[in-house]
Amino acid sequence: GAVVSQHPSWVICKSGTSVKIECRSLDFQATTMFWYRQFPKQSLMLMATSNEGSKATYEQGVEKDKFLINHASLTLSTLTVTSAHPEDSSFYICSARDGQMNTEAFFGQGTRLTVV
Amino acid sequence: RKEVEQDPGPFNVPEGATVAFNCTYSNSASQSFFWYRQDCRKEPKLLMSVYSSGNEDGRFTAQLNRASQYISLLIRDSKLSDSATYLCVVNMRTGGFKTIFGAGTRLFVKA
Repeated sequence: GAVVSQHPSWVICKSGTSVKIECRSLDFQATTMFWYRQFPKQSLMLMATSNEGSKATYEQGVEKDKFLINHASLTLSTLTVTSAHPEDSSFYICSARDGQMNTEAFFGQGTRLTVV
Repeated sequence: RKEVEQDPGPFNVPEGATVAFNCTYSNSASQSFFWYRQDCRKEPKLLMSVYSSGNEDGRFTAQLNRASQYISLLIRDSKLSDSATYLCVVNMRTGGFKTIFGAGTRLFVKA
């Protein structure tokens, strides 16, 4: 199956710093990429949807200035958590899919962010 | 109302039991459907796609009822290794593409 690589798999950072997470589709062109956040024992929550070359669409309640998403190419999307705070500590997962309606999304391995 | 709704469970069943999960979706523009499995602290992985005619993969059977906007997953002869969270996933076209996950149903299979 298709492969989506997410990096880093875990990161610890100081409060107030910014963290960038990368999501790459390795063997297909990812027209659309999704970013999710998951707190312990809770479900995946969609944060934003990004289409290559255009601005991301953020879900209600997600601050676009805090969670910067860039999808500059068909194989790479980045999520930058700016001025991270301890409450931003979570499991962040990206997924990617091609432009066909009937295909499934493939997930990155996730990034566990801890802000201290 | 959430776009995709699932019974969160947990479902606690003995080995060998048959268990069924349900999922409803609210947007009639939904076009494709999937069941994913997520193990603790891991990313979700595709379990199976769901086709209108229903489909089976070993002990797993998925069904779709477009009229009722309802998807189901049946697991027969449950194994300990089936313990996980099962996510109902819907692709829909609402302006652009969107993939929406249900909150997941937790399954615990006990010896």
